Amino acid sequence: QVQLQESGPGLVKPSQTLSLTCTVSGGSISSGSYYWSWIRQPAGKGLEWIGRIYTSGSTNYNPSLKSRVTISVDTSKNQFSLKLSSVTAADTAVYYCARAGRTTVDYWGQGTLVTVSS
Amino acid sequence: QSALTQPASVSGSPGQSITISCTGTSSDVGGYNYVSWYQQHPGKAPKLMIYDVSNRPSGVSNRFSGSKSGNTASLTISGLQAEDEADYYCSSYTSSSTLDWVFGGGTKLTVL
Repeated sequence: QVQLQESGPGLVKPSQTLSLTCTVSGGSISSGSYYWSWIRQPAGKGLEWIGRIYTSGSTNYNPSLKSRVTISVDTSKNQFSLKLSSVTAADTAVYYCARAGRTTVDYWGQGTLVTVSS
Repeated sequence: QSALTQPASVSGSPGQSITISCTGTSSDVGGYNYVSWYQQHPGKAPKLMIYDVSNRPSGVSNRFSGSKSGNTASLTISGLQAEDEADYYCSSYTSSSTLDWVFGGGTKLTVL
């Protein structure tokens, strides 16, 4: 059973960079054909794709966030990471890491709340 | 604005059946059989309930079923139970985004 766990600061100051890590257990991050993804959800709102990294290392980002987002993978630690720069209050949300196959997101982390505030 | 349109809320009584719709376009829902449905209880992560329009992952109750007609996909929950009260999101593969998938805005299901 694949499990994902987000970790990182719960509070980030405006204009700084949000950094989160997702640790994958129960399977190798470099095996299979999966997209390791980041999705966020502002309080009381819907789900928003941030971006993803493929097993090969190629990435795709939400166009609305592309200029501020970097997703990377560390296969030696079975982790992948999210960096979102120049954050504002609008970036306050629960951030989920997830595994996506060709047609669906099948495993999700429990989510971590990140608040942007001074 | 979400790419897929869902009703904001639906409700039903225990034992009844309800259906949640998810409307897209020929570039997403109508063009591919890659619609998924997720259940999300308050404070919890989404849980995959249906994938590829009508397939249930192992462990998901057969009270949950999915279908599609044209540009609209539907999630039906039969024999409604109190624990079904949650938010439900649809998602579809899309040819209109580099991320390949889009979400619906979500539907709040209330069990009366």
